[in-house]
Amino acid sequence: EAQVTQNPRYLITVTGKKLTVTCSQNMNHEYMSWYRQDPGLGLRQIYYSMNVEVTDKGDVPEGYKVSRKEKRNFPLILESPSPNQTSLYFCASSPIPSQKQYFGPGTRLTVT
Amino acid sequence: AQTVTQSQPEMSVQEAETVTLSCTYDTSESDYYLFWYKQPPSRQMILVIRQEAYKQQNATENRFSVNFQKAAKSFSLKISDSQLGDAAMYFCAYRRGSGGGADGLTFGKGTHLIIQP
Repeated sequence: EAQVTQNPRYLITVTGKKLTVTCSQNMNHEYMSWYRQDPGLGLRQIYYSMNVEVTDKGDVPEGYKVSRKEKRNFPLILESPSPNQTSLYFCASSPIPSQKQYFGPGTRLTVT
Repeated sequence: AQTVTQSQPEMSVQEAETVTLSCTYDTSESDYYLFWYKQPPSRQMILVIRQEAYKQQNATENRFSVNFQKAAKSFSLKISDSQLGDAAMYFCAYRRGSGGGADGLTFGKGTHLIIQP
């Protein structure tokens, strides 16, 4: 089954404790991206990647890092999380940016 | 920068009736794509419909259709014969054309659709 998976689905952590949210897709898509969703703001893009070792900033990249060492994986790294990063995070992939994006199930992150 | 505006934070419709969700966008591009995504309580993002700006014909998917007015920069979603399973948050999204680099979707703030039984 074609899918995007994210782990963990739920995470509660404390300020400053490094964390990684994993994202993996099994569709051989070149394009992957991360979004955050906040009430009343819709979804905003954090980072994206056109292919292995090619990543770039989206609209709200501050406080986040990403890597793309393998085509299927695109982890999101918060090296020093802060409460304003409490949000619902989505990973997405597509063959190219203008085509349908397949979204993961979301990761609910709470930073206290 | 492009913006997407959904002016209806919440809409309510009787089951089996028709409802239209509004979306306007601002762009200086001539080549772009527009999308409607559905987010049910499960939070999964589900693509409802995709429209290519260079195509004049409005996209349709079963009970879902769009009214794409390129000159007015309007992209409304019509849901016919509303069903209880249509209850969700609906997001309108914009994406520059294929020559526009690798940036992602620009989303509106969403419209919460309630279906009254």
